[in-house]
Amino acid sequence: ETGVTQTPRHLVMGMTNKKSLKCEQHLGHNAMYWYKQSAKKPLELMFVYSLEERVENNSVPSRFSPECPNSSHLFLHLHTLQPEDSALYLCASSQEQGGAEKLFFGSGTQLSVL
Amino acid sequence: GEDVEQSLFLSVREGDSSVINCTYTDSSSTYLYWYKQEPGAGLQLLTYIFSNMDMKQDQRLTVLLNKKDKHLSLRIADTQTGDSAIYFCADLLNTGFQKLVFGTGTRLLVSP
Repeated sequence: ETGVTQTPRHLVMGMTNKKSLKCEQHLGHNAMYWYKQSAKKPLELMFVYSLEERVENNSVPSRFSPECPNSSHLFLHLHTLQPEDSALYLCASSQEQGGAEKLFFGSGTQLSVL
Repeated sequence: GEDVEQSLFLSVREGDSSVINCTYTDSSSTYLYWYKQEPGAGLQLLTYIFSNMDMKQDQRLTVLLNKKDKHLSLRIADTQTGDSAIYFCADLLNTGFQKLVFGTGTRLLVSP
C-alpha cells in the first residue's frame, strides 16, 4: 500500500457536474496539500491543511472547495468547473517539524472538464 | 514572488552523465529539493540540500548549490533509461509558514 492514495485516478466531468477528489495518507503526517499540475507550468499550490486547519489558500476560485475531516483524509469538492481546470491534481502530505519539509505525493487524479 | 526556473528538456545517451539546472530568486531559501516524476505517477523526493551546504552526494546523484548565483544543479552519473522522467527543482520558503515553490520541471530523455 502506497503512503498517499488518491481516487479516482481519472475523472471526466461536464461543466455542470459536482464531483469530489479523495486523498488518504497512511504515513501519520500532520499536514496535507492540494497541488494543480498543468502542462509547462510550475506546480500550483492550491490548499494547505496543517493539523486539520486550513493555513493557506492561494486565491483559488470558489468552484474548488477543500475539506479535511481528519489528519489522514483530504477532499477536493468540484462544482461548475471550466475547461481550463483540466489538469492533474496532486495530493501530498508531510510531517511538519521544522527543518527540511519533505512532501510525499499521491499519483494524482487526471481531470478533464468538457 | 519567488520564481524557480528550469529548462524544459534534456536528452542524453545511456551511460552518460546528465546535468539538470535550476535557478531561483529567493534569498531566504533554507532547503532546496529535487523531485522526480515518472509517467502516471506523483512526485517522488530524490534528494535535498540545506542552504549552507554547497554539495551533497547520494550514490549516482550529486547536488551542487551556488548560493551566490542562486543556482542549483542535479548531476546523475551513468544515466540509465529508467532515469527518463520529469525532474522538478523546489525551493523551501520560510515565510511564517514553510512553503515549497516548484519549477516547471525538466523532462529527461535517456536513449539507448
